[in-house]
Amino acid sequence: DAGVTQTPRHEVAEKGQTIILKCEPVSGHNDLFWYRQTKIQGLELLSYFRSKSLMEDGGAFKDRFKAEMLNSSFSTLKIQPTEPKDSAVYLCASSFSDSNERLFFGHGTKLSVL
Amino acid sequence: AQKVTQTQTSISVMEKTTVTMDCVYETQDSSYFLFWYKQTASGEIVFLIRQDSYKKENATVGHYSLNFQKPKSSIGLIITATQIEDSAVYFCAMREGTGGYKVVFGSGTRLLVSP
Repeated sequence: DAGVTQTPRHEVAEKGQTIILKCEPVSGHNDLFWYRQTKIQGLELLSYFRSKSLMEDGGAFKDRFKAEMLNSSFSTLKIQPTEPKDSAVYLCASSFSDSNERLFFGHGTKLSVL
Repeated sequence: AQKVTQTQTSISVMEKTTVTMDCVYETQDSSYFLFWYKQTASGEIVFLIRQDSYKKENATVGHYSLNFQKPKSSIGLIITATQIEDSAVYFCAMREGTGGYKVVFGSGTRLLVSP
């Protein structure tokens, strides 16, 4: 069974660069979430898609963060331009579209911005 | 707006004892679902157990059980007979039953189980 696949596992960027993180949800899942995890802020919701439609875009992250769902089996998170404070683990999760459904998480992408 | 709060940042226990982790939540919804997830040292996050807001009985899965106190908006996770491999970070999460079904997480509680 293929779980949620995130690439790359690690990313190092210079300040001001554009980076794109990728996520493939579990096959058949219609809900897809992007979270940012830091020690201080914990798990912060960046974006939430249902059947490719953006349901939530995590207000504080609007200006430099853009998530897209190009098709039901692929999503990207673009950060442009990157800043050192963006250093964190970015997690993608998916689920079936029902409120009682649990999330399946990818292994995350660890981003370091120098 | 949804909010999930875990006030315990870390807990240390001896192996084979019972531990309870606290979680309180805020919601305007009459129907919602509460989840607990575990994040291991490798970073992997896995689902443990779920409580449906309309069910009075506490959910139990293996050596995990929940203490659901709806009037207090509280959902505690109880781990009995703890094992070394239970050492991890535990997250409480809520998913509302109406609207967009987004999932909000608490800040997590780190559990260390010692031999």
